[in-house]
Amino acid sequence: AQSVTQLDSQVPVFEEAPVELRCNYSSSVSVYLFWYVQYPNQGLQLLLKYLSGSTLVKGINGFEAEFNKSQTSFHLRKPSVHISDTAEYFCAVSGSGNTGKLIFGQGTTLQVKP
Amino acid sequence: GAVVSQHPSWVICKSGTSVKIECRSLDFQATTMFWYRQFPKQSLMLMATSNEGSKATYEQGVEKDKFLINHASLTLSTLTVTSAHPEDSSFYICSARDLERNTIYFGEGSWLTVV
Repeated sequence: AQSVTQLDSQVPVFEEAPVELRCNYSSSVSVYLFWYVQYPNQGLQLLLKYLSGSTLVKGINGFEAEFNKSQTSFHLRKPSVHISDTAEYFCAVSGSGNTGKLIFGQGTTLQVKP
Repeated sequence: GAVVSQHPSWVICKSGTSVKIECRSLDFQATTMFWYRQFPKQSLMLMATSNEGSKATYEQGVEKDKFLINHASLTLSTLTVTSAHPEDSSFYICSARDLERNTIYFGEGSWLTVV
């Protein structure tokens, strides 16, 4: 079985500062990892995904994440955040075969302050 | 634009009635769709996997007679909340897997309020 832990429930940061949202997973099989963003009262938008290949994954809106197998982590980073990045961020894992069935972390609220 | 669409976005129903939520893949065929439930300020919980042409697979603790899922075509899955109660009020989100693009797309979500 897979599980995902997002270590921070809230991350406050000032505009134009860098940010890292942490995600750790556990799995006994190969995994596929995803980061989604959710704006208030909306569905989820895919930021980026790791399926295979390069461990550094670049996504939309200037976000990137690095897959670290030895540390079972997939932290999300952005070098300079904007007010518009304020949202809920979810890390998710899909087991072997990328069936589409996702297990989500608890979510991290990113609060960008002016 | 959206590639997975949910309808309705908002619905209010009376206790004891049933309500249906639709999830459509707009530009791809989805043999598998997924239904999630999200309480305010919480994460998404997988409820069931909807399989085209066969019975849905429910997660542990989800009442299959309460949450009826039908996946009658390659582009449509429906979730019917039967005999709704106020505790069923929640945000319901569907997702669908696009095999060609190897990507999972989510719908915009449906807010259900049972009064």
